Amino acid sequence: EAQVTQNPRYLITVTGKKLTVTCSQNMNHEYMSWYRQDPGLGLRQIYYSMNVEVTDKGDVPEGYKVSRKEKRNFPLILESPSPNQTSLYFCASSLSFPPGQGSEKLFFGSGTQLSVL
Amino acid sequence: AQSVTQPDIHITVSEGASLELRCNYSYGATPYLFWYVQSPGQGLQLLLKYFSGDTLVQGIKGFEAEFKRSQSSFNLRKPSVHWSDAAEYFCAVGVDTGRRALTFGSGTRLQVQP
Repeated sequence: EAQVTQNPRYLITVTGKKLTVTCSQNMNHEYMSWYRQDPGLGLRQIYYSMNVEVTDKGDVPEGYKVSRKEKRNFPLILESPSPNQTSLYFCASSLSFPPGQGSEKLFFGSGTQLSVL
Repeated sequence: AQSVTQPDIHITVSEGASLELRCNYSYGATPYLFWYVQSPGQGLQLLLKYFSGDTLVQGIKGFEAEFKRSQSSFNLRKPSVHWSDAAEYFCAVGVDTGRRALTFGSGTRLQVQP
């Protein structure tokens, strides 16, 4: 089954304790992206990647890092989490960007609810 | 910079009634337009998209949307709402130049009354 898998689904941590949220897709997609969702703000892009070793900043990259060493994986790293990073995080992938031709679409993971105390 | 506005934060309709969710965008050229639905605790599911061609787009679950260039709008419609349609709906805009991101509206939460 085609899917984007994020782990963990829920995470509670404390300020300053490094964490990684994993994202993996099984569709050989080139494009992957991380978004955060906050009430009243919709989804905002954190980072994206057009292919292996090619990453770039989105709208809200401060405090986050990403890597794309393999095509299927795109982990999100918070080196020193702070309470303002408490949010719902989504990983997404598509064959290309923008995902519009034919049946192409952006696939979303189920989300990771992060709370930083 | 491109932006997306969903003016209705919360909408309540009766089951069987028609639905229209509004979406306006701001961008110089014709963007690519999307509607997503998010059920509680779930990720986002694509309902429909517009890239080019016919301005009336059919999607899944009986939804449709119409692109109106003169009004910079892409409103989502459904003729008869079902209780299972209760969810949050997001309009999104994408372009094929510059930063590779979808810009999302702030969402409209739909409540369906029996």
